[in-house]
Amino acid sequence: GDSVTQMEGPVTLSEEAFLTINCTYTATGYPSLFWYVQYPGEGLQLLLKATKADDKGSNKGFEATYRKETTSFHLEKGSVQVSDSAVYFCALSWNTGNQFYFGTGTSLTVIP
Amino acid sequence: DAGVTQSPTHLIKTRGQQVTLRCSPKSGHDTVSWYQQALGQGPQFIFQYYEEEERQRGNFPDRFSGHQFPNYSSELNVNALLLGDSALYLCASSITYRGSEAFFGQGTRLTVV
Repeated sequence: GDSVTQMEGPVTLSEEAFLTINCTYTATGYPSLFWYVQYPGEGLQLLLKATKADDKGSNKGFEATYRKETTSFHLEKGSVQVSDSAVYFCALSWNTGNQFYFGTGTSLTVIP
Repeated sequence: DAGVTQSPTHLIKTRGQQVTLRCSPKSGHDTVSWYQQALGQGPQFIFQYYEEEERQRGNFPDRFSGHQFPNYSSELNVNALLLGDSALYLCASSITYRGSEAFFGQGTRLTVV
């Protein structure tokens, strides 16, 4: 079945460090891929998405490229800020259904 | 636009009781999905409602049921609560024919004691 695997956390970085959170997926075909972010005590917010292979999603300095060869959608940011501290979820969905398959989440803490 | 709103924010119930959680979708959205997020885990799909019918269902027992009203709002009901039902319950709304993006509410934190 469809599934998403993302790197184990927690991740702790110093401000202005480079961030990579790995995400790979298993699916038959080419789903849409997403990164959602969850701040403490809040629901999920869409960070970025890509709907087809080789697409790059980007938002707020974060980027992720849909790689069908490696079935991956790694999240990157060149310079993290304290305000980026949150839990990040990789997910996939099929356009016709809207059911999301989420990874287990990666907790990021950025220290000044 | 108020976005997706859920009520209540927090709830404490006793094992064996029943609970009802509520969700109002984002304006213009006609599809509501419910997810269960256990502590430290990613959200798990419970079911999805469209046109007042359950359209998809995840791997959850029949103790979990739902309803969608003509104004697209939705309820999630859980009967015979177990300690393991303690979780954050998230509602997501979307527009069916623009399939791939959903907006999430802040969730209802259910604690079963």
